[in-house]
Amino acid sequence: ETGVTQTPRHLVMGMTNKKSLKCEQHLGHNAMYWYKQSAKKPLELMFVYSLEERVENNSVPSRFSPECPNSSHLFLHLHTLQPEDSALYLCASSPQPTGSYGYTFGSGTRLTVV
Amino acid sequence: AQSVAQPEDQVNVAEGNPLTVKCTYSVSGNPYLFWYVQYPNRGLQFLLKYITGDNLVKGSYGFEAEFNKSQTSFHLKKPSALVSDSALYFCAVSPTSGTYKYIFGTGTRLKVLA
Repeated sequence: ETGVTQTPRHLVMGMTNKKSLKCEQHLGHNAMYWYKQSAKKPLELMFVYSLEERVENNSVPSRFSPECPNSSHLFLHLHTLQPEDSALYLCASSPQPTGSYGYTFGSGTRLTVV
Repeated sequence: AQSVAQPEDQVNVAEGNPLTVKCTYSVSGNPYLFWYVQYPNRGLQFLLKYITGDNLVKGSYGFEAEFNKSQTSFHLKKPSALVSDSALYFCAVSPTSGTYKYIFGTGTRLKVLA
């Protein structure tokens, strides 16, 4: 494991369901991120949190709702998703929200919307 | 528009041969440059980064990358490929210092043949 843990690893949900993705890091990092990875496309930055404060919301549909209760935990709440939302959702952290640090990624949650 | 290009979807190389995975970028200023690797069903793992200094940077697992400012390239290299190097490789660029807004390439699948 890399130090960033994501649960669940796989999730199948109907379009009317509500579910949540969880991310946890104990690296002492101050910044956490949600990315969406779809086949043949660049990674899409969804949300950025710095010290529990959201600093970026990259035009993400409101059916995705992030929550960062503390600097070690990050959630992505999902509701009324569409089939095109099926993807690998990656959580990442970095010491600070600046470009000089590399990210530590979790293993991702493979989401399938049916 | 700022962009990162990985011109090859897939690179095949025989085990023991040198490998190169290409990355070019179109970003203003002095960007930070990164390479990440993704193994099946895993998140991205940091390999190496270029911030400033020597144009040849060394990273994990014997990989290195060469920064060429005039050609705006940051190619990933390894002198002798291993079958276990087979994975998906992503180039990423942080446009300016102080920003977390990485731009990722679409990825190159490396296949090392025994």
